[in-house]
Amino acid sequence: AQKVTQAQTEISVVEKEDVTLDCVYETRDTTYYLFWYKQPPSGELVFLIRRNSFDEQNEISGRYSWNFQKSTSSFNFTITASQVVDSAVYFCALAPWGGNNRKLIWGLGTSLAVNP
Amino acid sequence: DTGVSQNPRHKITKRGQNVTFRCDPISEHNRLYWYRQTLGQGPEFLTYFQNEAQLEKSRLLSDRFSAERPKGSFSTLEIQRTEQGDSAMYLCASSSPVVGLGKETQYFGPGTRLLVL
Repeated sequence: AQKVTQAQTEISVVEKEDVTLDCVYETRDTTYYLFWYKQPPSGELVFLIRRNSFDEQNEISGRYSWNFQKSTSSFNFTITASQVVDSAVYFCALAPWGGNNRKLIWGLGTSLAVNP
Repeated sequence: DTGVSQNPRHKITKRGQNVTFRCDPISEHNRLYWYRQTLGQGPEFLTYFQNEAQLEKSRLLSDRFSAERPKGSFSTLEIQRTEQGDSAMYLCASSSPVVGLGKETQYFGPGTRLLVL
């Protein structure tokens, strides 16, 4: 079975704080992709990052960084110096590799509120 | 704008009516997906097309739901005899196969929010 767990339902921080959003996944596939998407109040899902299962390098993009640990099946997302515009629901998703199965398996999302 | 577009953005209908939504993918993308999202949940996969072929359908897609992609470009999702439980955001995404290791990414449209009264 494939599953994504985002244990934090809601997080509230004050602007400029750092915040980490957790994502734990389950899969029997040896190769797979992991994603993070942002869903602001407007509703559109915005792609943030894709990570392949064989690439465990961490990645930093501006204030965003991602920590992929295959040993613990986790793909956590950190926002440094948060801003009010970061307020959104963030989803972690898992996708299998290859074949005709292309659907994304989603977590329930973490709602982040960044307060001024 | 070269992103995924969806129409209408909002739809209010009465129970029992039929509704149809349209998705226009990114022009060079040959894969198209429909998802449904209810409040407080992540998106749920409904169906997937590669070009005009519908390759996978979720068991969530009852016989009241049908999706088409007749020319391998835009797609429509029709719900017949709508029920209140169909109220949700319907999301469309598209992607393009990329030669190389795991570079395919689904890009989403703004969604169609359906309310069945």
